[in-house]
Amino acid sequence: AQTVTQSQPEMSVQEAETVTLSCTYDTSESNYYLFWYKQPPSRQMILVIRQEAYKQQNATENRFSVNFQKAAKSFSLKISDSQLGDTAMYFCALSNDMRFGAGTRLTVKP
Amino acid sequence: DGGITQSPKYLFRKEGQNVTLSCEQNLNHDAMYWYRQDPGQGLRLIYYSQIVNDFQKGDIAEGYSVSREKKESFPLTVTSAQKNPTAFYLCASSIRGVRRVEQFFGPGTRLTVL
Repeated sequence: AQTVTQSQPEMSVQEAETVTLSCTYDTSESNYYLFWYKQPPSRQMILVIRQEAYKQQNATENRFSVNFQKAAKSFSLKISDSQLGDTAMYFCALSNDMRFGAGTRLTVKP
Repeated sequence: DGGITQSPKYLFRKEGQNVTLSCEQNLNHDAMYWYRQDPGQGLRLIYYSQIVNDFQKGDIAEGYSVSREKKESFPLTVTSAQKNPTAFYLCASSIRGVRRVEQFFGPGTRLTVL
């Protein structure tokens, strides 16, 4: 079985500060991709960042970056310089069987 | 503009009635998916289809049915056998067989059983 676990149901951060969301996963496959999706209050799912398991370099997209630890099966998302528009549910996902974590609700406070 | 459309946005159903949720995409994607979203449980896969006229059950297929007669369309029927159908339903699509490509999501349908 392949699973994705997000252990932080809710988090909050002050505007302009940095926050890290955690995700662990389990898979028997050697080639896979990991994704972080954002779901704002509009409920439209948006891709934030992706990481290929074969790449050692951590992916970065502007203020969003990941810490990918393949041996530990960990895939955390770091949001730098948090903005009010970052308030959303964040979901970690594993490509191979389209599984998503339960999500972390992030609130950015002014 | 290419994308995925779901209709209706809100749907109300009486107990014992079947209801069909629409999902259409013009992205030329082969694969399409249906997810159910409940508070605290993330997205759970109901059904997916990798190609026309073929589909597979996901983790929570009981009480649901689908069809894939056209590449662009993947409707979901919530039957009276589904015991707790009130939820938010998301449809998604992706390029088949390309794992690096993310899924693209529709805006969702909120189903409420009265």
